This record gives sequence, C-alpha cells and structure tokens, in this order.
Amino acid sequence: DVKVTQSSRYLVKRTGEKVFLECVQDMDHENMFWYRQDPGLGLRLIYFSYDVKMKEKGDIPEGYSVSREKKERFSLILESASTNQTSMYLCASSRPKEQFFGPGTRLTVL
Amino acid sequence: GQQVMQIPQYQHVQEGEDFTTYCNSSTTLSNIQWYKQRPGGHPVFLIQLVKSGEVKKQKRLTFQFGEAKKNSSLHITATQTTDVGTYFCAGGYGNKLVFGAGTILRVKS
Repeated sequence: DVKVTQSSRYLVKRTGEKVFLECVQDMDHENMFWYRQDPGLGLRLIYFSYDVKMKEKGDIPEGYSVSREKKERFSLILESASTNQTSMYLCASSRPKEQFFGPGTRLTVL
Repeated sequence: GQQVMQIPQYQHVQEGEDFTTYCNSSTTLSNIQWYKQRPGGHPVFLIQLVKSGEVKKQKRLTFQFGEAKKNSSLHITATQTTDVGTYFCAGGYGNKLVFGAGTILRVKS
C-alpha cells in the first residue's frame, strides 16, 4: 500500500515564524503535490513537483515555497507565517492516475 | 484559470434516500476523478472517468461523465450512515488536477 506521511498532524506557530512542513512517500512516485484545504473552498493547489529539484507553481503559491531534494520528500515552506495561512495542509503523491494523500497537517498561525 | 464548480455544497439526507452531487467545468476535461474524505480523514481516490459519456458503478455508487466531457455526477443509491463525508470531484486539465469545493453529505439514521 502507498504510504504518504506528513511530519506533524497539528502545528501552532506565531506570525512571522518560518514554518517547514515535510512530506514523505514510500512508493517511488515522481509526482508530488501540496494543497491547502479550507471550508467551502475545497483543495487548492499550492505547488507541485514532477521530479527531483523540479517545482511548479499551483493556483495559490504566494507566501509559500517548496523544496524537493530527494524523490521521496517534498517540503513546503512558509517563509514568514501569517494568520491567513491558518489551514489544513495536505500532501499527495501520484502515479499517472490517482493521487494518494497524507493525513494532513492542521496549522494554526497566531 | 481552470475551475470546477461542484454542487450542492451540503446535503443532509435520511438513511435510505438517494444522493447526487454534480460537477461542471467551463472547458473540456481530459478526465474526471472522484474522491471521498471521511470526517477527520484525508481524501481517498474512488474512481477516474476518461471517455465521453462513460458510466461506471461501484456497488451503490454510480459515476457519470458527460458527453461533452465538461460535467460529471456521482449518485449514491439508498444512502447508509457509512456514506457520510465530503465527496470531491477533480477535473483533469492535461497534467493538472483541479478540485471542486466538495459536497458534504450527512445521513440521518
């Protein structure tokens, strides 16, 4: 079974802090994604990566950056966290067809 | 940019009633995927439709892809309490997947 793990289930940070969210998948997938999920808005794509050291902006990349140094790991970085980045963050990896999601990180920025 | 509209946002049904959620895109999709997210869980892939007019069934769930490949529906027959959760469609635009806002299903027993 595909397993996608995220470093934290819950995280509380202060405004202005730098935040790292880590995602690891164990199925050698090339494609990895970061989404944020907010009530009534569904899943919105922040960044995605189709290969190591490759990244592309999604629909809402402002305020975020990513890093993919190894195939299995895709990190989301909030350079200076703000209260409007309080959200559920979901990582996913995929074969050409379906996406497999991690359990999510609920981030609260105070 | 590409958008997938999904309705209704929320539906509360009596156990045994049917349920349908609809997705619509203004442009042609390469495929449509459906996911289910249980309360407190993460989205789990249900199915992918690729062909125009395609209909697929999974037990009590029926998935349809429109002839123009711009709309899709998920129909659940005789809902059960285990069906509760949020159902998302995700439209494929080339290599990109765009999720709808989801339909939250609650089932009264």
